[in-house]
Amino acid sequence: DGGITQSPKYLFRKEGQNVTLSCEQNLNHDAMYWYRQDPGQGLRLIYYSQIVNDFQKGDIAEGYSVSREKKESFPLTVTSAQKNPTAFYLCASSILGTSGRTDTQYFGPGTRLTVL
Amino acid sequence: QKEVEQNSGPLSVPEGAIASLNCTYSDRVSQSFFWYRQYSGKSPELIMSIYSNGDKEDGRFTAQLNKASQYVSLLIRDSQPSDSATYLCAVNRYSGYSTLTFGKGTMLLVSP
Repeated sequence: DGGITQSPKYLFRKEGQNVTLSCEQNLNHDAMYWYRQDPGQGLRLIYYSQIVNDFQKGDIAEGYSVSREKKESFPLTVTSAQKNPTAFYLCASSILGTSGRTDTQYFGPGTRLTVL
Repeated sequence: QKEVEQNSGPLSVPEGAIASLNCTYSDRVSQSFFWYRQYSGKSPELIMSIYSNGDKEDGRFTAQLNKASQYVSLLIRDSQPSDSATYLCAVNRYSGYSTLTFGKGTMLLVSP
C-alpha cells in the first residue's frame, strides 16, 4: 500500500518539553510539507522540503524544527519555544510541480497534539 | 489581506439538491487550484484539481475556474448526507518554491 503515515495519532506534551512528530511516505514524492490546523481554521504551512537535506520555513515556523535526511521521512519537532502548540498537525507530500504549477498534495492521517 | 477566502457556512442543502461552494483568491499569478473535503477529525482528501479556465467535471462534482475574476467554485450535484463535511479551497503561490495557501473552509450540511 502506498501512502503517508504519521505517528503517533495522539500526543500529549507537558509544558517545556520538546516532542517529535513522525511522517513517512512511500509514494516516492520529492516534496513534503507540515501544516498546523486549529479549530475552525484552515491549514497553515509550518515547513516544507522539496529535496533531501533542504527545507524552507513556511508562514508559522517559529517554535518548530524539521529535518530531511531521507526522501521518505520528514519529522517535525515542536519545541518548548512554541507557546501554543495544541493543534492538529498534518503532513503532506507531492511530486514537484513544473512551469509554476503545484501538484496535488496528499495528506497523512494527522497527529493531534495536546499540551497538558 | 486574506489570500484565499471562503464563506465559513454552514451551507445547508436538502438531499438531492445542488450544493455550490465558492472561493476567491488574491494572487493573480496562481495557476493551480484544488478542492479538498475534510470530515470532522480527519485529514483532507482531494476532491478535484483544476488548472485551466472553465469547467471540469468528475462524477457528481464540477469545479469551475475564472482566473479573470479570481474565482473558483465547486458544485456538488445530487447531494448526499455523506457529503456533509468541510470543503477546503487551496490555491498555489509561487515565490521561488511553489506551495499552497488554504482557505478556512466551508461547512456543508446535507439533510436527509
